[in-house]
Amino acid sequence: AQKITQTQPGMFVQEKEAVTLDCTYDTSDPSYGLFWYKQPSSGEMIFLIYQGSYDQQNATEGRYSLNFQKARKSANLVISASQLGDSAMYFCAMREEYTGTASKLTFGTGTRLQVTL
Amino acid sequence: NAGVMQNPRHLVRRRGQEARLRCSPMKGHSHVYWYRQLPEEGLKFMVYLQKENIIDESGMPKERFSAEFPKEGPSILRIQQVVRGDSAAYFCASSPTDRGSSYEQYFGPGTRLTVT
Repeated sequence: AQKITQTQPGMFVQEKEAVTLDCTYDTSDPSYGLFWYKQPSSGEMIFLIYQGSYDQQNATEGRYSLNFQKARKSANLVISASQLGDSAMYFCAMREEYTGTASKLTFGTGTRLQVTL
Repeated sequence: NAGVMQNPRHLVRRRGQEARLRCSPMKGHSHVYWYRQLPEEGLKFMVYLQKENIIDESGMPKERFSAEFPKEGPSILRIQQVVRGDSAAYFCASSPTDRGSSYEQYFGPGTRLTVT
């Protein structure tokens, strides 16, 4: 079974609008972390935001927020006030603390976001 | 504070040659991870190393691939006798610790390997 599922291969959003990128995960580990990374066309991986499984509050980082619904095992990324520079691939990833080697990140297949005028 | 360095950024090899990819972690980081990204796919974990030790190589192909992180110098990912299917972007990441689940891994810019 996929540990990280991103069901939206591509998304379009108009400039200044908000957009939600979906991510669901599968784990039986009681302690885990969820990450979102941005990969622009230049190819580097840029860390955006982190949510811990025990965190009570949803994570926020500037225009990025994470809609964490633990019971549904979802960790959707919300980008507010989209900008043209937000056009990129976005990857959701998870680290499980006790399963296997705790250190590795497991990535989803990504969502390509295109911001239009 | 320099970030994770990878070189070369682009590498072209003919089938059957060897590819050597280098990664210098961030200052103070002793944990290095290698990931591979095939075209139009997400990153896949390959190997996790600490200085002079391979901690987890569960994602490494059984043959032709090896990795090291010596006491001095960068981490090296070596691919022997490359084939076209090895064409991919190889990312290195580093972290200051491996305890808990909250620490961030800092990624390098990647090495794009093309096998002709």
